[in-house]
Amino acid sequence: DQQVKQNSPSLSVQEGRISILNCDYTNSMFDYFLWYKKYPAEGPTFLISISSIKDKNEDGRFTVFLNKSAKHLSLHIVPSQPGDSAVYFCAASDNAGNMLTFGGGTRLMVKP
Amino acid sequence: DVKVTQSSRYLVKRTGEKVFLECVQDMDHENMFWYRQDPGLGLRLIYFSYDVKMKEKGDIPEGYSVSREKKERFSLILESASTNQTSMYLCASSPLDRLETQYFGPGTRLLVL
Repeated sequence: DQQVKQNSPSLSVQEGRISILNCDYTNSMFDYFLWYKKYPAEGPTFLISISSIKDKNEDGRFTVFLNKSAKHLSLHIVPSQPGDSAVYFCAASDNAGNMLTFGGGTRLMVKP
Repeated sequence: DVKVTQSSRYLVKRTGEKVFLECVQDMDHENMFWYRQDPGLGLRLIYFSYDVKMKEKGDIPEGYSVSREKKERFSLILESASTNQTSMYLCASSPLDRLETQYFGPGTRLLVL
């Protein structure tokens, strides 16, 4: 059973609008969450992270929100740009130092 | 600039062949990882290593083995390739105390016929 789920396999957004990518998790021991971005023919690259002691972390156009009670996090991209078109993976780790657990990924397409 | 390289971008092998996937990192990282990426399943950890000659099983180690004889190199071995091992294989590394911040190679797309 997947402990980290991204229920939308794909998302299409117009350039300049907001992209919202969602991620749900089931393991209450997860305390650190990350988003990775993957272009075709490249490995994933780290995008942004958030610790469970925070509910928001912002880096330029990218903001991650964490709702611990709902076991839900989201990545907001504002404004979306065509270069943001990629597959986005959310990942989680727990305070026992265990490995990252990844979601299934969401393919974002930003249309010019 | 950090770099993780993988020996092949594409591989085609036959069922029953022994397959070696090589990964090299130049960041002096202690941790190295092998994942496979399949549609809808995300990245699943096969094995990881936190030091030379040390290895730990990940979530899906069956059918795979690994070797880490040098700090910079981590090899994934498919002892007898099967068609269900057709996948994208990704190698990653991270510093010892920053396990969650992993740097990935470009991946090897393996097709087993």
